[in-house]
Amino acid sequence: GQSLEQPSEVTAVEGAIVQINCTYQTSGFYGLSWYQQHDGGAPTFLSYNGLDGLEETGRFSSFLSRSDSYGYLLLQELQMKDSASYFCAVRGYGGYQKVTFGIGTKLQVIP
Amino acid sequence: DSGVTQTPKHLITATGQRVTLRCSPRSGDLSVYWYQQSLDQGLQFLIQYYNGEERAKGNILERFSAQQFPDLHSELNLSSLELGDSALYFCASSVEGVNEKLFFGSGTQLSVL
Repeated sequence: GQSLEQPSEVTAVEGAIVQINCTYQTSGFYGLSWYQQHDGGAPTFLSYNGLDGLEETGRFSSFLSRSDSYGYLLLQELQMKDSASYFCAVRGYGGYQKVTFGIGTKLQVIP
Repeated sequence: DSGVTQTPKHLITATGQRVTLRCSPRSGDLSVYWYQQSLDQGLQFLIQYYNGEERAKGNILERFSAQQFPDLHSELNLSSLELGDSALYFCASSVEGVNEKLFFGSGTQLSVL
């Protein structure tokens, strides 16, 4: 099976940097994805790490360490609009395995 | 706009009833996923189809079933509805069956009274 752990809530100040961690357990592993979901909205894809290391997309970066079964999403220069829930997700090895999402981290950006 | 269309947006029904949720994937996407999201819960994977065939199954109840049609749209059927089935149901699509970038529809909010 697959399971993911991430903090339930994080609060950060506008303009600051915040890191949202995700640890996973899975039988086989393809890669780690991150999604953003605003209240009442649909999840939207942010990033994917298939290999160890850092992937950068504008203000957002994502990191993966396969040996530690750990990844994180880094949000820089926080804006009020970044207030949302952030989900990490994994697909187990073997091709057509289900994509499992973590419980989500609710980020509140305060002035 | 993700390009994934879900209908209806809202559905209110009674316990014991049956409903059908519909999803049209993005043009060209062959894979469709269904997820259930309850209040303050994560996204629970239900089932995945690829080009008309079932590819992966999650903790989908026996009262629930789904299919993907030749035109690639998908339907999720929920029967003998219970109060606990009230949730937001999302459909997502991707180009291939093994693709990490899922595009989500806006969801169907199901309320079972």
